[in-house]
Amino acid sequence: DAGVTQSPTHLIKTRGQQVTLRCSPKSGHDTVSWYQQALGQGPQFIFQYYEEEERQRGNFPDRFSGHQFPNYSSELNVNALLLGDSALYLCASSLGGRDSPLHFGNGTRLTVT
Amino acid sequence: AQSVSQHNHHVILSEAASLELGCNYSYGGTVNLFWYVQYPGQHLQLLLKYFSGDPLVKGIKGFEAEFIKSKFSFNLRKPSVQWSDTAEYFCAVIPPGILTGGGNKLTFGTGTQLKVEL
Repeated sequence: DAGVTQSPTHLIKTRGQQVTLRCSPKSGHDTVSWYQQALGQGPQFIFQYYEEEERQRGNFPDRFSGHQFPNYSSELNVNALLLGDSALYLCASSLGGRDSPLHFGNGTRLTVT
Repeated sequence: AQSVSQHNHHVILSEAASLELGCNYSYGGTVNLFWYVQYPGQHLQLLLKYFSGDPLVKGIKGFEAEFIKSKFSFNLRKPSVQWSDTAEYFCAVIPPGILTGGGNKLTFGTGTQLKVEL
């Protein structure tokens, strides 16, 4: 059991569309991070949410946005989808501090056609 | 660019063989280091981590890693692999700039796919 749950597990979208991915953190965790894992690559950091605010951001365009709710769950939104956005999107939760290891979900596989 | 390098992309071993997977990073200063494993169809799981202290770190399932600061390396080892160790292994780093800010953003290597044959 991952503890971190993501939905949906798979998604197919068309170029130009918008998508929303969802994540529920492990019980007791207050911080949610999102990563993109392209085929054959390691996960790349998109952003992190803590106390409903974006705390850190990686090198991703503004088309990628997110939100954290009072119950610590989070959404990742991607607008104007490109073929290159096809990837596995991973959510990870933690207690927010640097000594807190990340717990990952199984991911959402997004395919853009 | 500052990064994490895993030079072995695919490794095939027979059961009972010894394993060493290389990981090098290019950041100066203090870093936190991790190895994660992803078994087929499962989520990324933490194998072990190094923050400070003894540079030889022991993790779950008989894995260990050695931090060699002078070589900017954090290689993963296991004396005798099992078929169930077949998985993808990722080295990851919290870079100094993130650490000083109290964050835990990870920079990952590209991963090593390990296949253990019976």
